[in-house]
Amino acid sequence: GQNIDQPTEMTATEGAIVQINCTYQTSGFNGLFWYQQHAGEAPTFLSYNVLDGLEEKGRFSSFLSRSKGYSYLLLKELQMKDSASYLCAVRDPIKAAGNKLTFGGGTRVLVKP
Amino acid sequence: GAVVSQHPSRVICKSGTSVKIECRSLDFQATTMFWYRQFPKQSLMLMATSNEGSKATYEQGVEKDKFLINHASLTLSTLTVTSAHPEDSSFYICSAREPGQANYGYTFGSGTRLTVV
Repeated sequence: GQNIDQPTEMTATEGAIVQINCTYQTSGFNGLFWYQQHAGEAPTFLSYNVLDGLEEKGRFSSFLSRSKGYSYLLLKELQMKDSASYLCAVRDPIKAAGNKLTFGGGTRVLVKP
Repeated sequence: GAVVSQHPSRVICKSGTSVKIECRSLDFQATTMFWYRQFPKQSLMLMATSNEGSKATYEQGVEKDKFLINHASLTLSTLTVTSAHPEDSSFYICSAREPGQANYGYTFGSGTRLTVV
């Protein structure tokens, strides 16, 4: 089966840093995605990791350790607009199944002034 | 970049009626489309995967006779919620996949808020 875990909620202060962890136990692995989703809207792509290590993109960074089944998303210099849900998703390696994504439960981040 | 258009954005229907949701890839051919549902404060749950010209593959626990998926062309997939009931009220999102496209090939529609009264 697929098991992808994230904390449910996190609160942080504007200007601070927040790290959102994601652990996964899946039958297959072909990359891990992070998405941001504001309420009532579609998810927007933030990052993709398929090899171990850190990927940095502006204020957002994502890390992957395949041996540990672990990833994190790091948000720096938090802004009020960063208040949203952050979704971790693992890609299935089976092409015949469309390389479908399985999502974790999502982490709601609340940024306070 | 790749754009997926999903309509309607909101729909209210009476219990027992059917509702059709459309998902179109506007500037690319989507070999695969995914349909998700999302309850308030929860994550996206995959309902089914559809490939153009073939039957959809449904996830365990999803009733294929209730959630009819048609993927008649490389740019259009539809989800029909048949005999809708209040418990079907949810946020439905489609995602189109075309390898080589932006965002590593997964582009999401803007979602449809279905309310069954």
